Amino acid sequence: DAGVIQSPRHEVTEMGQEVTLRCKPISGHDYLFWYRQTMMRGLELLIYFNNNVPIDDSGMPEDRFSAKMPNASFSTLKIQPSEPRDSAVYFCASRSDPGTGYNEQFFGPGTRLTVL
Amino acid sequence: GNSVTQMEGPVTLSEEAFLTINCTYTATGYPSLFWYVQYPGEGLQLLLKATKADDKGSNKGFEATYRKETTSFHLEKGSVQVSDSAVYFCALSDHNYGQNFVFGPGTRLSVLP
Repeated sequence: DAGVIQSPRHEVTEMGQEVTLRCKPISGHDYLFWYRQTMMRGLELLIYFNNNVPIDDSGMPEDRFSAKMPNASFSTLKIQPSEPRDSAVYFCASRSDPGTGYNEQFFGPGTRLTVL
Repeated sequence: GNSVTQMEGPVTLSEEAFLTINCTYTATGYPSLFWYVQYPGEGLQLLLKATKADDKGSNKGFEATYRKETTSFHLEKGSVQVSDSAVYFCALSDHNYGQNFVFGPGTRLSVLP
């Protein structure tokens, strides 16, 4: 398996523009997570899905952020409009159902977002 | 709620020194415990894990033992290398508290030749 795939790896945009980050989880994993990492705040969980359904979005900072998972192999995180304070590395992670005995999360390489 | 506390970094060591990074946790149930490592410019990778009390996780010379009595999961390595320079995250997953993870703040390790 190729692991968790994220695109793009780097994104530079201007304030006010829409940004869409993409994630393909590991095949067969039931859970998908979106994280944001900054020097100031460390690693923050934004939202997670179980079987394509959003379970907990309490970490989404504000209405400018939205996430979708239209099917088991694809998820997006959208920021509209973007602001300079959104600059961070965004990670996607996936895991299988804990009932399988394998409960660790597998992380993608991240998308480094810079909003000018 | 659940939480993970790690020693503050950065930690700077000379090559071949002994490493300990402390991690303690608070959990309502019986969590699984993990150490993840993040090399510069990369995502987090699982380093080792333990799923029940007294289990010892080990990988690449690193070890950590799940201590329920002290709610700790300290990471150790007997002889560090320059290539071990990275950020280390302690984490827990408590199935009685949802399916997400709780990560510690991370500890940056720098190993000097």
